[in-house]
Amino acid sequence: DARVTQTPRHKVTEMGQEVTMRCQPILGHNTVFWYRQTMMQGLELLAYFRNRAPLDDSGMPKDRFSAEMPDATLATLKIQPSEPRDSAVYFCASGLVRTGAETQYFGPGTRLLVL
Amino acid sequence: ELKVEQNPLFLSMQEGKNYTIYCNYSTTSDRLYWYRQDPGKSLESLFVLLSNGAVKQEGRLMASLDTKARLSTLHITAAVHDLSATYFCAGGEGGSQGNLIFGKGTKLSVKP
Repeated sequence: DARVTQTPRHKVTEMGQEVTMRCQPILGHNTVFWYRQTMMQGLELLAYFRNRAPLDDSGMPKDRFSAEMPDATLATLKIQPSEPRDSAVYFCASGLVRTGAETQYFGPGTRLLVL
Repeated sequence: ELKVEQNPLFLSMQEGKNYTIYCNYSTTSDRLYWYRQDPGKSLESLFVLLSNGAVKQEGRLMASLDTKARLSTLHITAAVHDLSATYFCAGGEGGSQGNLIFGKGTKLSVKP
């Protein structure tokens, strides 16, 4: 049963520290999405990649967030330095996108708390 | 820019009753998705609706799409407690990029 995996599942850190979240998309999927979920803002698209190339990262605060896909099996989202307002659940999703109408499959999320 | 609005945001139902969740979107969208999220869990895909008049059903849930009205509905028939969750609709922005814009979600609570 193919699934998107994310690590860590939970992270508590102090303000100013670097946070790295990792995602392993489903094998064969060509598109990876990063979302952030908070009570106030709901689900926000931060960035996404197609065949490892960044397509759009306009949803991401550029000064502190960065997203990369060093290979087809790993996507990373980094926050440096972290701030309390970054506390949220970060989801990675992947899909095999050809027409744009395909389903996105979500990972379990990384629950981040910045103190 | 596509905007997606759901209503209601909170819904408390009794078991056995029927209800509908509404999802309006602001501009042309060529696809509409419904997802379910249980508390503390990830999102699970329920339905993908790709054309005007599309209707899909799974168990007690039925989703439909009216592209002319820019409206999708998720109808719940004879609700049971296991359907308690948050339901999200999401619209796809134009083109084939695959990115989605999510509504705020409808938190459904089904009580005995």
